[in-house]
Amino acid sequence: GEDVEQSLFLSVREGDSSVINCTYTDSSSTYLYWYKQEPGAGLQLLTYIFSNMDMKQDQRLTVLLNKKDKHLSLRIADTQTGDSAIYFCAESIEGGADGLTFGKGTHLIIQP
Amino acid sequence: DGGITQSPKYLFRKEGQNVTLSCEQNLNHDAMYWYRQDPGQGLRLIYYSQIVNDFQKGDIAEGYSVSREKKESFPLTVTSAQKNPTAFYLCASSITPSRGDTQYFGPGTRLTVL
Repeated sequence: GEDVEQSLFLSVREGDSSVINCTYTDSSSTYLYWYKQEPGAGLQLLTYIFSNMDMKQDQRLTVLLNKKDKHLSLRIADTQTGDSAIYFCAESIEGGADGLTFGKGTHLIIQP
Repeated sequence: DGGITQSPKYLFRKEGQNVTLSCEQNLNHDAMYWYRQDPGQGLRLIYYSQIVNDFQKGDIAEGYSVSREKKESFPLTVTSAQKNPTAFYLCASSITPSRGDTQYFGPGTRLTVL
């Protein structure tokens, strides 16, 4: 079965790097996504990675994928107060056209 | 501006009433989706549509109904049969229903049953 796991909370100091982790169980996942949700808002796509890649970097964001361990991480460099949000990991299953499977989301809390 | 709109932003309903949530997109996307979000939970798929006049049940379709008469519109009706309808509802769309096509989300509708 499919399952995506994330820790519920992460607290970091402003200016430090944040690393949000995710594990998934379906070995046929083809794309893995990171979405950001601010309070009361919809989901904003941050980045995604194809399952044959190890790493993807986009400005302050770095995604690392360990396919052997089914582990995905999102690193946010120089974390700012505007990064405070819920971050969702999601996977798209090979051959699936029926939506994404989401984790429960990680609340990123920024300390001044 | 291209995007996905959902209305209303907040919706209140009395128990026993049906209510319809609107979702419109002007991105010319073929596929559209409805998700439900509860506090501390991820998103769960209610219904999806790959093409006009066709739709399929997701993981939690009971108590909900949809229609897809136009490419740009995918309204969701929460019926009185839905036992616990208070939640945040999110609509999404993607260019095609194929795997890997990125889903873009609307701003959501918060439904509260009084």
